[in-house]
Amino acid sequence: DAGITQSPRHKVTETGTPVTLRCHQTENHRYMYWYRQDPGHGLRLIHYSYGVKDTDKGEVSDGYSVSRSKTEDFLLTLESATSSQTSVYFCAIHPGGSGVDNEQFFGPGTRLTVL
Amino acid sequence: GNSVTQMEGPVTLSEEAFLTINCTYTATGYPSLFWYVQYPGEGLQLLLKATKADDKGSNKGFEATYRKETTSFHLEKGSVQVSDSAVYFCALTGAGSYQLTFGKGTKLSVIP
Repeated sequence: DAGITQSPRHKVTETGTPVTLRCHQTENHRYMYWYRQDPGHGLRLIHYSYGVKDTDKGEVSDGYSVSRSKTEDFLLTLESATSSQTSVYFCAIHPGGSGVDNEQFFGPGTRLTVL
Repeated sequence: GNSVTQMEGPVTLSEEAFLTINCTYTATGYPSLFWYVQYPGEGLQLLLKATKADDKGSNKGFEATYRKETTSFHLEKGSVQVSDSAVYFCALTGAGSYQLTFGKGTKLSVIP
């Protein structure tokens, strides 16, 4: 299994509070991604990173920010959580390059509930 | 932009039944196509993939063929098992990109 961990695995918070989710990898992969999974929507890309300090927006980036100060860590921050951000959040990594075995590996997910 | 459409679920089958989950896509150029599987309480795992037209991806008895003429990548298995119960996602990456675009997922339940 690819070395990806997410923390916390479960979190309940209140509307208006800041929340930070952490993704940690031990694979030294260049690319890291944050997705959210919601019923009827599949997985949607929030933000991604293509290197240390290099990030870009995905499809559903409003209300989220990210930071990547080290190769191994990619943080997702909800500055002021809203109930619409209740979801399961997945981190993924990809080595880059065009190798036939290159693929995105997913973490175990973080279930976030905003009351 | 890119998009993936897969059949709505849930799908309930008896053990040893034949499985088809339809997937069609819209993309410019020549995307790579993927099927991911999510078992209960877990993250997504790559099940199979195909990177060019007419390629067949296969794994664990599942198969899917990249059909450019019909822009499809249907997932099939000849004889499902209870352990195949999961949510299946069709996905693609555009040419020259690593970003995945997912379908909405199809939940499969296999009953003994």
